[in-house]
Amino acid sequence: LAKTTQPISMDSYEGQEVNITCSHNNIATNDYITWYQQFPSQGPRFIIQGYKTKVTNEVASLFIPADRKSSTLSLPRVSLSDTAVYYCLVGETLGYSSASKIIFGSGTRLSIRP
Amino acid sequence: DTAVSQTPKYLVTQMGNDKSIKCEQNLGHDTMYWYKQDSKKFLKIMFSYNNKELIINETVPNRFSPKSPDKAHLNLHINSLELGDSAVYFCASSQKNTGELFFGEGSRLTVL
Repeated sequence: LAKTTQPISMDSYEGQEVNITCSHNNIATNDYITWYQQFPSQGPRFIIQGYKTKVTNEVASLFIPADRKSSTLSLPRVSLSDTAVYYCLVGETLGYSSASKIIFGSGTRLSIRP
Repeated sequence: DTAVSQTPKYLVTQMGNDKSIKCEQNLGHDTMYWYKQDSKKFLKIMFSYNNKELIINETVPNRFSPKSPDKAHLNLHINSLELGDSAVYFCASSQKNTGELFFGEGSRLTVL
């Protein structure tokens, strides 16, 4: 299983760009990198998924270097509402057979200040 | 129109009791899951069902029994509750071979 390591917590201010890096040195060829966001008292919410290079959607960007041993979630111009826990996951595309291989770690607790 | 809904949201009970948590999804997904989030916020899969068939059972005590009457529902029944069962239980669904899980809002179980 590809284990992930990410900072326990990060602080930033409104309007700043926030980059959260995740290490996954043992990522396998078939593994994708997926990020989820979790607000207090809610279930995790899918943010973005990628395999290599760069992926961008309306919420965030995901940067993956060529060796794929790490990835960076980039949140542009954060607001107070971006305060949440962010989970980096590595595993095969979430078919039912691979869900057991997807482990949510403790995530990164991002706090945004005014 | 909640996509994945769980009931109850909060559940407080005594050790030794039996309780159930219900989950329903209206997304038309073919796969449903139960996850447990402990006090340290680790979120770990417990069960996965695909089209009403059990696919994954991750070393969960047999006091936990999932039941899927149809592919839109996956209920979790827990017998002889123990203190260590206190946690937030999340139901989720996905379409097979997609990278996105849709989670419910969680059910916080407290065993006294």
